[in-house]
Amino acid sequence: EVQLVESGGGLVQPGGSLRLSCAASGFTFSSYWMSWVRQAPGKGLEWVANIKQDGSEKYYVDSVKGRFTISRDNAKNSLYLQMNSLRAEDTAVYYCARLSVDFWSGTSYYYMDVWGKGTTVTVSS
Amino acid sequence: DIQLTQSPSFLSASVGDRVTITCRASQGISSYLAWYQQKPGKAPKLLIYAASTLQSGVPSRFSGSGSGTEFTLTISSLQPEDFATYYCQQLNSYPRGIFTFGPGTKVDIK
Repeated sequence: EVQLVESGGGLVQPGGSLRLSCAASGFTFSSYWMSWVRQAPGKGLEWVANIKQDGSEKYYVDSVKGRFTISRDNAKNSLYLQMNSLRAEDTAVYYCARLSVDFWSGTSYYYMDVWGKGTTVTVSS
Repeated sequence: DIQLTQSPSFLSASVGDRVTITCRASQGISSYLAWYQQKPGKAPKLLIYAASTLQSGVPSRFSGSGSGTEFTLTISSLQPEDFATYYCQQLNSYPRGIFTFGPGTKVDIK
């Protein structure tokens, strides 16, 4: 069964750090781009970061640049999100997602087809 | 960066109704658009990608159309399990890899 399982969430004080993990199973993890997406309480989805299969390319939403780092360990089938200098507005459920791609007529169409159940991060004093 | 808007933000409908949700992009994104369904307390579920390709296992009452800056998600006959929030997402920004979501449309029972 294709599965993503997040862990590492919890309560942290403003300015603190947290490292989220996402364990992948049931597919060849090293063949896929991976993403983190978050959802603040009662709000919509927000894309956070992407990482290429070999970790050589990483992209972030502006609000987390310089504070969050996405990484992966293909030998362990795991995705990570290191979150530093946390703020109250980082409070959210954090999901990891697999980025799949279809190629048609030389064009690549990406989509997030597998999602974990999420892990909750609360930033509060 | 590309911004997405969705309309309406809230929709009240009855079982059996035909429902259409619109997603507009701030600049042309060809067909690099996906639609997701999310139920309370659950992870999003992919419905459609490349603007009109139905994800495997998704009922055929869901369809997507559009290209460039205007896209639609249509549910041909609303079922009880379809009451949820729907999000569009643009995936046009490769190689920058910034994949923005729309603000969502909540479909509620009339």
